Amino acid sequence: GDSVTQTEGLVTLTEGLPVMLNCTYQTIYSNPFLFWYVQHLNESPRLLLKSFTDNKRTEHQGFHATLHKSSSSFHLQKSSAQLSDSALYYCALSDQGGRALIFGTGTTVSVSP
Amino acid sequence: AQTIHQWPVAEIKAVGSPLSLGCTIKGKSSPNLYWYWQATGGTLQQLFYSITVGQVESVVQLNLSASRPKDDQFILSTEKLLLSHSGFYLCAWSPDWGNYAEQFFGPGTRLTVL
Repeated sequence: GDSVTQTEGLVTLTEGLPVMLNCTYQTIYSNPFLFWYVQHLNESPRLLLKSFTDNKRTEHQGFHATLHKSSSSFHLQKSSAQLSDSALYYCALSDQGGRALIFGTGTTVSVSP
Repeated sequence: AQTIHQWPVAEIKAVGSPLSLGCTIKGKSSPNLYWYWQATGGTLQQLFYSITVGQVESVVQLNLSASRPKDDQFILSTEKLLLSHSGFYLCAWSPDWGNYAEQFFGPGTRLTVL
């Protein structure tokens, strides 16, 4: 079945340094839809960005990601981390019926001064 | 603007007791509705989805059931709680059906089963 893998459980870094969160997926379908959701402490998840176009960079709020179907990846990046980026980040894959989002296990990002 | 409300905010319940969690969406007719469960420190697991009143599909049951009695209301329930039901329950809605639809999450209900 469909699945999403996030290899880092926790990423700790200093403010101003770059961030990269890994996301790979498995699906039998040739047109996957990928999402990044962010959940700050004591809040609900909200959409950060999404893509279904191969090799096209998607950007929002300083973050960017590019869907690479050749490597089944959708890594999230930011050039300079801010304290407010401390949160839980989920990569998600939509099933082909659009009825279910399959989430990865999430990566907690902790940014310190 | 659409708003999503969940009740209660938090519950502490005994093993074996019944449970009913609710979710209401205002400002959007015929939304697609979803229930998620998030274990402490764990991933988000979709439980149910509904595209219309009276119609609910199960993704993963976890000994829970769901119903949609009104267009704007989604209920999650069980007659007998287990310790493993503890966690954070999130209701979500999306305006469109399809693979690319964004889901908007409610504030959640934190459930502790003792």
